[in-house]
Amino acid sequence: AAGVIQSPRHLIKEKRETATLKCYPIPRHDTVYWYQQGPGQDPQFLISFYEKMQSDKGSIPDRFSAQQFSDYHSELNMSSLELGDSALYFCASSLARRAGNSPLHFGNGTRLTVT
Amino acid sequence: AQKVTQAQTEISVVEKEDVTLDCVYETRDTTYYLFWYKQPPSGELVFLIRRNSFDEQNEISGRYSWNFQKSTSSFNFTITASQVVDSAVYFCALIINRDDKIIFGKGTRLHILP
Repeated sequence: AAGVIQSPRHLIKEKRETATLKCYPIPRHDTVYWYQQGPGQDPQFLISFYEKMQSDKGSIPDRFSAQQFSDYHSELNMSSLELGDSALYFCASSLARRAGNSPLHFGNGTRLTVT
Repeated sequence: AQKVTQAQTEISVVEKEDVTLDCVYETRDTTYYLFWYKQPPSGELVFLIRRNSFDEQNEISGRYSWNFQKSTSSFNFTITASQVVDSAVYFCALIINRDDKIIFGKGTRLHILP
C-alpha cells in the first residue's frame, strides 16, 4: 500500500542556510501534519494543513514556513538554520479533517543535520 | 491541559517473555483518541492502534494487546512472547477532538534480548 513519502531522507546544511523538506501524503489524504523530533525526544507538532489551508499551528519557529499545494503535497521551508534545528522531521497524513478521526500515518522522516 | 506519561523510560526483557508498557493520560475533554506508535532503530514511526474515548473494549492483534481503562486513565500495551524484532521505542499518544496536534509521551525504549 502507498505510504507517506518524504524527501530527502537525509539533509546536511550549514548554519544560516535554508532547507526545504517535501512530503507527499497517501493518495486521497487531504490533511498533512509536520512534526519535529529532536534526539532522544518525543515528536513535537509544528503545523497542519487541510485542503491546502493551514489548519493548526504548534511550536513552529517564525523562521519556518510551510504550505500545502494543489496536489496535496506539502513543503516545510526552514531558513536561517540553527544547530538546534538538527532533528528528524516527520510528515503525517490522514483522511479525516481532524487528527483523531482517522489514523495518522507517518512518513519515514527527513533527518536534518545542521553543522 | 493534556498530558501523556510513560513512566518506564527503558525496559529490557529476554526473548519470549511477555512485557507490558504503561501509558497514563490526562485530559478534561470527553472526546479524545489514544494511539500507540512504534519507532524502530531505523527511525520511522509505525502506527499500531487508535482507540476513541467511547470504546473501552480491549483489543488483541496477534502478539499485541491493549488494555484501555478510563477509570484509571490508562492505555497499556502488552507484547506476548516478545521477539528481538520488537526492540524499539514505543510512544503512547493522545489527541483531543477539537485539536490537531498529537501529544506524545516521552516513549519507552524496549530491548528484547536474545
